[in-house]
Amino acid sequence: DGGITQSPKYLFRKEGQNVTLSCEQNLNHDAMYWYRQDPGQGLRLIYYSQIVNDFQKGDIAEGYSVSREKKESFPLTVTSAQKNPTAFYLCASSIAPPGTSGRQYFGPGTRLTVT
Amino acid sequence: DQQVKQNSPSLSVQEGRISILNCDYTNSMFDYFLWYKKYPAEGPTFLISISSIKDKNEDGRFTVFLNKSAKHLSLHIVPSQPGDSAVYFCAASADGANSKLTFGKGITLSVRP
Repeated sequence: DGGITQSPKYLFRKEGQNVTLSCEQNLNHDAMYWYRQDPGQGLRLIYYSQIVNDFQKGDIAEGYSVSREKKESFPLTVTSAQKNPTAFYLCASSIAPPGTSGRQYFGPGTRLTVT
Repeated sequence: DQQVKQNSPSLSVQEGRISILNCDYTNSMFDYFLWYKKYPAEGPTFLISISSIKDKNEDGRFTVFLNKSAKHLSLHIVPSQPGDSAVYFCAASADGANSKLTFGKGITLSVRP
């Protein structure tokens, strides 16, 4: 049963702590993405990776870091430098190269709350 | 600078009637457009897409229309059902070396029984 898994569903952290969100896919997709969603906002791109050991900053990369050591995995670390880390985080993947097919498949998301 | 705009934040329609969700874009390089549906606390699911070489794509109750000259697309749902109540995101991508999607802010559709 192919898909994208994100864990945990809900995550709570104290301010000043780094936290890593997990994203795994078994779709054999080359490209993976991290978005955050805030109330009343669309999905904003944090980081993306088109191939193993390579990744690029998205529109709001400050305060975040990623790694892509395996094709299946694209973890996101929310560092203490991120000023407003509380949000709903979504991981996605797609077949690359994209051509005219930009379809991305999304995981169920992780709700991070930092207090 | 919002390149994909969904100017109406919400829409309410009666069950059985047509729902029309609108989306405008500013980047003329966009050539592939998608609609995603999202329930609260879940990831978006793909609904329907259209390439810029077409002006219409249909899939069951869902039809997407693209007007390139106006940089406008719309999603028609007919007949609308209560289960269609969700947030609908319009997204766009430009052909090239990557498939970054640019999303609008979403429209909350409520279908009244």
